[in-house]
Amino acid sequence: DQQVKQNSPSLSVQEGRISILNCDYTNSMFDYFLWYKKYPAEGPTFLISISSIKDKNEDGRFTVFLNKSAKHLSLHIVPSQPGDSAVYFCAAYRSARQLTFGSGTQLTVLP
Amino acid sequence: GAVVSQHPSWVICKSGTSVKIECRSLDFQATTMFWYRQFPKQSLMLMATSNEGSKATYEQGVEKDKFLINHASLTLSTLTVTSAHPEDSSFYICSARPGQTFNGEQYFGPGTRLTVT
Repeated sequence: DQQVKQNSPSLSVQEGRISILNCDYTNSMFDYFLWYKKYPAEGPTFLISISSIKDKNEDGRFTVFLNKSAKHLSLHIVPSQPGDSAVYFCAAYRSARQLTFGSGTQLTVLP
Repeated sequence: GAVVSQHPSWVICKSGTSVKIECRSLDFQATTMFWYRQFPKQSLMLMATSNEGSKATYEQGVEKDKFLINHASLTLSTLTVTSAHPEDSSFYICSARPGQTFNGEQYFGPGTRLTVT
């Protein structure tokens, strides 16, 4: 039972444009949602999170939007840079329990 | 920021031997540590959750006698793969959650590549 889904395994974007990564979830009990960035053979790096009581959180070039009614969140990267090329995982967390990860989306930013 | 280290970063061992992987939180105390396994082009699969001073909680399908986890202090957890077999070859990643966290944030180690020959 995949509670967190990333339906797009890959995404290519031109440098300077916006990257939009999507994530859907099924468990309405999740408290927080997080985005992680991962390079090959490295551990994930935390990017940004959002509480379930908010609908938007912004940190520099990264903005996460949460639509609770649709059980959908997205990560916007503006402007995209070649160094942003990595696998992005969305994850969800429910009070004091472990993170549940999506399957990841490979973002490629083309120069 | 919070830093988590893993040692070794890669290891090759012979089938039947045991391998220990260390996970350390360098600048914070981690009451909870997690061990993940990642297969190529797949997501991170949680293996077990360990709380300092207590037994680890294993996910369904993970053999606790094969993957021994010890969380002896607030900054160190170890994963021992016992009697390793080639199918245990994988990328193992640990993460640590600070004692006080308000958003469920976990900090990940750089991972350990295990190859069993």
